[in-house]
Amino acid sequence: EAQVTQNPRYLITVTGKKLTVTCSQNMNHEYMSWYRQDPGLGLRQIYYSMNVEVTDKGDVPEGYKVSRKEKRNFPLILESPSPNQTSLYFCASSSLGDEQYFGPGTRLTVT
Amino acid sequence: GENVEQHPSTLSVQEGDSAVIKCTYSDSASNYFPWYKQELGKRPQLIIDIRSNVGEKKDQRIAVTLNKTAKHFSLHITETQPEDSAVYFCAASLSSGYALNFGKGTSLLVTP
Repeated sequence: EAQVTQNPRYLITVTGKKLTVTCSQNMNHEYMSWYRQDPGLGLRQIYYSMNVEVTDKGDVPEGYKVSRKEKRNFPLILESPSPNQTSLYFCASSSLGDEQYFGPGTRLTVT
Repeated sequence: GENVEQHPSTLSVQEGDSAVIKCTYSDSASNYFPWYKQELGKRPQLIIDIRSNVGEKKDQRIAVTLNKTAKHFSLHITETQPEDSAVYFCAASLSSGYALNFGKGTSLLVTP
């Protein structure tokens, strides 16, 4: 089954404790992206990747890192999480010229 | 960068009525305009999209119109049903499969 998966789905952590949210797709998509969703603000892009080893900042990249060592994986890294990074995070992927498919979301709470 | 404005932020209609959601965008180079539906606790899912070489597209009860000159596009849902209740997002992009700039969403409530 074609899909985008994210792990974990729910995470509660404390300020400053490094964490990684994984994202994987099995559709051989070139393009992958991370969004955060906050009430009243919609979906805002954090980082995106056009292909392996090619990443670029979106609209709200501060406090986040990403890597794209393999085509199927695009992890989101929070080196020192803060409470303002409490949010719902979505990974998405697509082939150029095709629609974006979203993962199921990761709800992160930073206390 | 691209700025997408979406209105209204909330919309309540009675079952069977029509619903219209409007979006404007700022970058005249944008060529791809998808609409996503997000049910409570779920991921956004594409419901319809339109490219800049087309003025209107329909899929059963859903239609999207695009006015490139005015830089606005709209989602029309006819004969609304309670299961249409969700948050709807418009987006604009230079091309499909590329970075999407989303509006802030419209919460649609269809009451029986």
